[in-house]
Amino acid sequence: KQEVTQIPAALSVPEGENLVLNCSFTDSAIYNLQWFRQDPGKGLTSLLLIQSSQREQTSGRLNASLDKSSGRSTLYIAASQPGDSATYLCAVIPRGRNRDDKIIFGKGTRLHILP
Amino acid sequence: GAGVSQTPSNKVTEKGKYVELRCDPISGHTALYWYRQSLGQGPEFLIYFQGTGAADDSGLPNDRFFAVRPEGSVSTLKIQRTERGDSAVYLCASSLNGWGHREAFFGQGTRLTVV
Repeated sequence: KQEVTQIPAALSVPEGENLVLNCSFTDSAIYNLQWFRQDPGKGLTSLLLIQSSQREQTSGRLNASLDKSSGRSTLYIAASQPGDSATYLCAVIPRGRNRDDKIIFGKGTRLHILP
Repeated sequence: GAGVSQTPSNKVTEKGKYVELRCDPISGHTALYWYRQSLGQGPEFLIYFQGTGAADDSGLPNDRFFAVRPEGSVSTLKIQRTERGDSAVYLCASSLNGWGHREAFFGQGTRLTVV
C-alpha cells in the first residue's frame, strides 16, 4: 500500500533563508508526483508536477526534485518570503493495474516564514 | 470557467439531515475527483469520475455517501443522514484526462459542519 510521508510536519525559518521540504513514498511505482500549496481555509494550489521520467521541475524560486528509486522528493524554496507561509502538500499517483488515478497525499508541512 | 468552482463555500447542517455539495470542473476536463480533508490531515480520496462514470469509488466511507456526474461536467456529492464525523472540508479537483497524465486543479472546497 502506497504511503506518503512529509517531514518536518512544521517549520519556522527567518525570511530570506533557503529551505527544503521533504516527501517520501513507500512504492516507487508512480505515474507522477505533484506539490501543492494550501493557505488556511483554502483549497489546493498546484505548484509543480514531476512526471515519473523526470528528475526535477523549476518554477521561479521553487525547485522540486524526484528520486523515484529511493522514493523521495524535495521541494526547495529559495530566498523565502513571508508570503510563502502556508501548508505544502506532496501527492503521488500510484501506478497500479486498474486504479492508477487514485492520488495519495501526505499530511503536509506547515511552513511559517518569520519577517 | 477559469477554475474549479465549488458551492456552497460553507454549509452548516443538523445531524441527520441530507446535504448536496456541487463541483463545477474546468471546462473540457474529463476527470473529476472528490476528496475530504479533516483538520491537520492531508486530503483523503473519496471518488474519481472519468466522464460520466465513477471509475473508482473505493474511498466513499459508507453508503450514506453518493456522487453523480450525469452529463460529464458538473458533479454533486450527496450525503444522507449526516453525522458529526462528516464535518470536514470537501475538495473537488479536475484534470484534462486523468491525473496520471496531467496536472490536477483544485477548487476552494466546501466546509461542511454538522451540528
